[in-house]
Amino acid sequence: GENVEQHPSTLSVQEGDSAVIKCTYSDSASNYFPWYKQELGKRPQLIIDIRSNVGEKKDQRIAVTLNKTAKHFSLHITETQPEDSAVYFCAASNDYKLSFGAGTTVTVRA
Amino acid sequence: DGGITQSPKYLFRKEGQNVTLSCEQNLNHDAMYWYRQDPGQGLRLIYYSQIVNDFQKGDIAEGYSVSREKKESFPLTVTSAQKNPTAFYLCASHSEGIPNYGYTFGSGTRLTVV
Repeated sequence: GENVEQHPSTLSVQEGDSAVIKCTYSDSASNYFPWYKQELGKRPQLIIDIRSNVGEKKDQRIAVTLNKTAKHFSLHITETQPEDSAVYFCAASNDYKLSFGAGTTVTVRA
Repeated sequence: DGGITQSPKYLFRKEGQNVTLSCEQNLNHDAMYWYRQDPGQGLRLIYYSQIVNDFQKGDIAEGYSVSREKKESFPLTVTSAQKNPTAFYLCASHSEGIPNYGYTFGSGTRLTVV
C-alpha cells in the first residue's frame, strides 16, 4: 500500500515569514495529492490539492508543488498569519483511497 | 454541518463494552470511510465502503466492525476486542463520480475508555 511521510512534525515561524512542509510517497501510481488543515478539535478541511498532471498550483498565499520523478510534494504558505496556526496533513491517493502523512503542527508567532 | 454528521461528539466506553459511532451524510456520496486519529500519528484507515452492502478493511480494522445498509449511513462499532480504543474517530465521504475528489469529513467523535 501507499506510505506517506511528512516533515517536519512541528514548525514554528514568525508572523509574515514563509512555511514549507514536505511529503514523500511510495506508490508511483498515486495521482492525487490533497492538503488538509485541522484546527484544534475540529475536522480536517481541504485547503488545496494537486493532480499528477500538474507540477504546481497556487491559491492566494498557499501553493503546492509536485515532483513525480522524486515522488515528493510540498506545501508553501507565504506571509503567515496567526490564523495559519494548525495541524497540516498531506495525503496521496490512487483513485479513491487516501493515505495520510502524520501531520505537521504549525505555530505562527506574533 | 457540511453535509456529513457524526454522533455523538463524545463517547465513554467501559471495559468489555461494544459501542457504535454514527456517521450520516446527505451529499449523495458513494464512498464512505472511517479513520482513527491519535496524537502524532495522522489519520489511519479503519474501514471503507464504495457502495451499499459492500465494505473493505483498511490498515487497522482489527477490533472494529461496520455496516453499509444505506447509502447515507456508515456506522462503526468498536468492539471489546479493540484493546486501545481511546482516540478521535473521523468519518469521511466522497463522490466517486468525480475522480480524485477531495474528502468531506465529519466533525468527529472522541471516544474514551473509562
